[in-house]
Amino acid sequence: DQQVKQNSPSLSVQEGRISILNCDYTNSMFDYFLWYKKYPAEGPTFLISISSIKDKNEDGRFTVFLNKSAKHLSLHIVPSQPGDSAVYFCAASNAGGTSYGKLTFGQGTILTVHP
Amino acid sequence: KAGVTQTPRYLIKTRGQQVTLSCSPISGHRSVSWYQQTPGQGLQFLFEYFSETQRNKGNFPGRFSGRQFSNSRSEMNVSTLELGDSALYLCASSPGYSGNTIYFGEGSWLTVV
Repeated sequence: DQQVKQNSPSLSVQEGRISILNCDYTNSMFDYFLWYKKYPAEGPTFLISISSIKDKNEDGRFTVFLNKSAKHLSLHIVPSQPGDSAVYFCAASNAGGTSYGKLTFGQGTILTVHP
Repeated sequence: KAGVTQTPRYLIKTRGQQVTLSCSPISGHRSVSWYQQTPGQGLQFLFEYFSETQRNKGNFPGRFSGRQFSNSRSEMNVSTLELGDSALYLCASSPGYSGNTIYFGEGSWLTVV
């Protein structure tokens, strides 16, 4: 049972344009969401997070939007840069319970930013 | 501030052997969790330790075990290795409280032959 889904395996964007990565979840107990960027053979690098009490969080070029009613979140990267090319993972946890140390990950989306 | 450190980075083991991986969390972090990444299954949660106690556990067989020491350093052990255990094993640390960011190490690449 895939509780966190990233339905787009890949996304290709031109440098300077917006990249939008999507994530859906099914577990209504999830209330804390994180996005990670990952290169092959390296550990995930934290990008940005959002709690379910918010619907938007910004950090520089990265903005995460959360739609609780649709159980959907998205990561916007503006402007996209070639160095952003990597695999992006969405992760969720039940921070309000005792499972905040346990992340459930999506399958990842490969982002390619073309110069 | 040093990040999450995992050792060894790469290792090759034979089927049937056992392996121990080590993780040093970020200073001051009390929670350490372990994940397995494989091409077919993605990133899957193994277990989490907080103040030397296992707080959460994923759906892995008993061959996978771990422990945490009083200095928050953690080890995970896999006994009776199978070919399917070949994976990138990732350690993550956090302060251990609700809403804390979880930071990952570079991982340990295990190949079972």
